[in-house]
Amino acid sequence: SAVISQKPSRDICQRGTSLTIQCQVDSQVTMMFWYRQQPGQSLTLIATANQGSEATYESGFVIDKFPISRPNLTFSTLTVSNMSPEDSSIYLCSVEVNSGNTIYFGEGSWLTVV
Amino acid sequence: QKEVEQNSGPLSVPEGAIASLNCTYSDRVSQSFFWYRQYSGKSPELIMSIYSNGDKEDGRFTAQLNKASQYVSLLIRDSQPSDSATYLCAVGDTGRRALTFGSGTRLQVQP
Repeated sequence: SAVISQKPSRDICQRGTSLTIQCQVDSQVTMMFWYRQQPGQSLTLIATANQGSEATYESGFVIDKFPISRPNLTFSTLTVSNMSPEDSSIYLCSVEVNSGNTIYFGEGSWLTVV
Repeated sequence: QKEVEQNSGPLSVPEGAIASLNCTYSDRVSQSFFWYRQYSGKSPELIMSIYSNGDKEDGRFTAQLNKASQYVSLLIRDSQPSDSATYLCAVGDTGRRALTFGSGTRLQVQP
């Protein structure tokens, strides 16, 4: 497995502001993903973070709202822009370790927008 | 649109019983299947993976896969109150490399 650290772990944010979540992995990984889990819901993939290039976004998610950076094989950031209460969610960084789709999650960033 | 279906529960079993959790998926090209456990207030934790038809056992957990029926299940033997959590079924394919998750089944193990 891998040790995946996310910051912040929890935050309360004002409507209209933006917040950047950081994800640090203790080893180089090829694939990194960002998921969202809204209250009482399952996990929805936001995007695949690609090293050195633009992220690949899933339907319903756009770069202007969720800009993602991945400058190297161990680090990525997700920004939640112009937040509204509907953005109150857990945001999860995840990585694929070895091949075969085995994905591990960080501890998550719990955002509440007021 | 790939879909992964689970009964939301709650599934309630007495301590020591076998808990059976089920999942169906829509995409026939799916090649990898996972069960994650998520305690309230925590992130998902990988507990089982299975790639080929049949059973795979790991301690008290057994994953079962039937690709013809597009069905995957998780059996938890000798259920403990500490097993009380939401169990998420996830499905992947080598092309996409990300996982599609079901909505989860909440398991309650009664002491």
